[in-house]
Order: sequence, then structure tokens, then C-alpha cells
Amino acid sequence: DAKTTQPTSMDCAEGRAANLPCNHSTISGNEYVYWYRQIHSQGPQYIIHGLKNNETNEMASLIITEDRKSSTLILPHATLRDTAVYYCIVRDYGGYQKVTFGTGTKLQVIP
Amino acid sequence: DTGVSQDPRHKITKRGQNVTFRCDPISEHNRLYWYRQTLGQGPEFLTYFQNEAQLEKSRLLSDRFSAERPKGSFSTLEIQRTEQGDSAMYLCASSRGDLNTGELFFGEGSRLTVL
Repeated sequence: DAKTTQPTSMDCAEGRAANLPCNHSTISGNEYVYWYRQIHSQGPQYIIHGLKNNETNEMASLIITEDRKSSTLILPHATLRDTAVYYCIVRDYGGYQKVTFGTGTKLQVIP
Repeated sequence: DTGVSQDPRHKITKRGQNVTFRCDPISEHNRLYWYRQTLGQGPEFLTYFQNEAQLEKSRLLSDRFSAERPKGSFSTLEIQRTEQGDSAMYLCASSRGDLNTGELFFGEGSRLTVL
């Protein structure tokens, strides 16, 4: 898997948008960007993934730059329950490839 | 909807003892993964099964570790002669091979404390 770089921690006010950046400058053409999060004492939870187009689902939006070297996960209205570690991962789509986690970004949503 | 379940959720053992963890994946998922997570770190890949076949093992999986998935359903992870360094959260995940969206479904984990 290509390596990703994320800030160690971020704060966000409750109700505001949380924008979590990720750099993946060595991403290859067939690799997708995935985001997972891990709430304390729980297993990681899949959030969203994308290739080159922006994606949105009920949990978040994913913005991928045109050169695909970086992306941003957006939680539009952060709540206290969004406090978690967020992992950005790149991997091939299709076939088998294990998911390799880094250390992620610790997001603290502040009341 | 039953997600991935792991048992036990917590295990405290003395150094040198053997421990076994069980993982029941989502029923239609043919792929199963084990990860280990220590405090402040992301999950580290240990091993992967497709049906009953163990297709990849990490170098982290020493000779004291063994994983099985005998009938392609549940899986067990056994640690023999536990050491204090084995203290960690052991996470199991599953996915569907035919719809490989890359989404892994994780269980709540089994936390091991070796005294």
C-alpha cells in the first residue's frame, strides 16, 4: 500500500465542519483512497472511499485533489460522537489486498 | 443484522499461559482478517483467510501464534506461551470476496492483558 501522512490530532467545535487532510503523494493510478474511523474501545468502522471523483454518503464527503496526491474527509456537522481516530488508507480496488493502517488523526470534537 | 463477533472481549492471563480467541464473521463473508492493536497505534495486520485457506501471514505472527478457520466460517487465534509483549487488542474483520469494495467489517476486539 502507498503510504499516507495525516496530522496527529485535530480539534473541531461541535456543529462545525471537520476537515481531515491526508497526503498520499505516491498513490498509483489503480489505488483508491479509503477512510475508516475508530471510536475508543471499538473496532474500526468504514466511512467512505473514492478514486478521483468527490464522493458523498450519509456519513461524510471525500474530496480528492485533481492530481490525487491528497484528499480531505469532511464531516459536515461534527457531533461529540464523531470524536475518534480517523485513518486514511490507499489500496487497490478489487482482488485481495490487506488494509494497512497508519496512526491516523485523533479528532476531538469540543462542545 | 449480526456483525462480526469476537469472544472473549477481555482476557487476563499470566505469562506462559496459552490463550485462544474466537471470531465469528458476518455469515456471507468469505474473507477474514486478524489484526493486533497496541495503545496509540493503528491496527497491525496479522493474517488473512479466504474461506478456510490462510493466504497471508505477517512477520508479526511468530511461531507462538496460530490461526485457523477450519470450515471457512469462524476463526480462532491461539497464542502459546504468552509474553507481556502480547498484551494488545486483537481485532477480527471480514469482507465479501465477490464484492470487494475494500470495506472491512470489524468486530469489537478481544483485549488481552498478560501479567
